[in-house]
Amino acid sequence: EAGVAQSPRYKIIEKRQSVAFWCNPISGHATLYWYQQILGQGPKLLIQFQNNGVVDDSQLPKDRFSAERLKGVDSTLKIQPAKLEDSAVYLCASSFTGILNTEAFFGQGTRLTVV
Amino acid sequence: SQQGEEDPQALSIQEGENATMNCSYKTSINNLQWYRQNSGRGLVHLILIRSNEREKHSGRLRVTLDTSKKSSSLLITASRAADTASYFCATARGGNTPLVFGKGTRLSVIA
Repeated sequence: EAGVAQSPRYKIIEKRQSVAFWCNPISGHATLYWYQQILGQGPKLLIQFQNNGVVDDSQLPKDRFSAERLKGVDSTLKIQPAKLEDSAVYLCASSFTGILNTEAFFGQGTRLTVV
Repeated sequence: SQQGEEDPQALSIQEGENATMNCSYKTSINNLQWYRQNSGRGLVHLILIRSNEREKHSGRLRVTLDTSKKSSSLLITASRAADTASYFCATARGGNTPLVFGKGTRLSVIA
């Protein structure tokens, strides 16, 4: 079974530039999460999708971050414009269903450096 | 916000020793999960314990849950150098709510 795919693995951009990350969840997984993990900290939820609908985006900085999940499969997370404090690893995860809170499967993450 | 709080923040032990990590949380939960993260990699699910369970085993892992104290512990027995990683607890409140992670415990197992 293929895992959660993320790209790119690494990205370096200058502040005020824009960047986009892509995630392909495990086939059949209705729930998709985007987490931000700053070095030395635990993952912080940015947004949760159930199919193509948003379940929770309360911690997404909506003035600069946006995310979409078209057709309830792939998802993209965009930052525009980026700030220095956005430097982090962005993790995508998926699970079979959020209702029973089953285990989440994580991708390798995208390490973003904003200079 | 992060619900779980792991303790200790860092732990260094010799190979063959047991490692115990603790997690405290604030609100009622449906289940609690433990994940491992090797440096520079994604998180890997280790074990899930439901709110009506008190103890669960998986290989060298033993997890306990005390809902009255809102705490959980992860015990790794006979540790190996390959167990070196960060360990995170994550709580799930049920329904369609997201997993909320703690700050993690960094475990170093010295050969």
